Amino acid sequence: KAGVTQTPRYLIKTRGQQVTLSCSPISGHRSVSWYQQTPGQGLQFLFEYFSETQRNKGNFPGRFSGRQFSNSRSEMNVSTLELGDSALYLCASSLIGQGTTYEQYFGPGTRLTVT
Amino acid sequence: SQKIEQNSEALNIQEGKTATLTCNYTNYSPAYLQWYRQDPGRGPVFLLLIRENEKEKRKERLKVTFDTTLKQSLFHITASQPADSATYLCALDEGGYSTLTFGKGTMLLVSP
Repeated sequence: KAGVTQTPRYLIKTRGQQVTLSCSPISGHRSVSWYQQTPGQGLQFLFEYFSETQRNKGNFPGRFSGRQFSNSRSEMNVSTLELGDSALYLCASSLIGQGTTYEQYFGPGTRLTVT
Repeated sequence: SQKIEQNSEALNIQEGKTATLTCNYTNYSPAYLQWYRQDPGRGPVFLLLIRENEKEKRKERLKVTFDTTLKQSLFHITASQPADSATYLCALDEGGYSTLTFGKGTMLLVSP
């Protein structure tokens, strides 16, 4: 099975611009989570989607948004970019069951640099 | 407040020794605990999962313990190899539809 893919892998944007990142989960995985990783804060949860519905959201401002399509592919959008948004953005997919935990399969990430 | 603590300092050990990494948490009631490995510039890779009612889990050279009284998990790599050098992350899951919360990770360096 193909792994989780993320595009683009690298991105340089200017403050104030917006950006859209894309994630294709492993075939059959319906849950997609997004994380932001920085050296200072580590891996921080952004949001999770399941069957096109956002089920959980982390403590990030409304500039961060996402969506999931019927084929489970997901996008996240960051508007009005700030310097502090520079980070590695990771997408993870998983099988999900009711009341059970799940291991997450991560993509390679998108390295976003805001100048 | 809720906290997950992993040693921020790198752990340096010699090849062949056992590496032990610690994950402590406060104000969580995890139903599950997971360990991941992350190499520079890459996404984390799942290693092991342990449930709250399990004391120990093994997979090849890896062993995880989970003590809900001490609020601690230990991750052991026996007969360590230079290829084991990476950052190791623990993640808590409180169950249901909750999300995984990750520690900041501990870097392991295995020298030949």
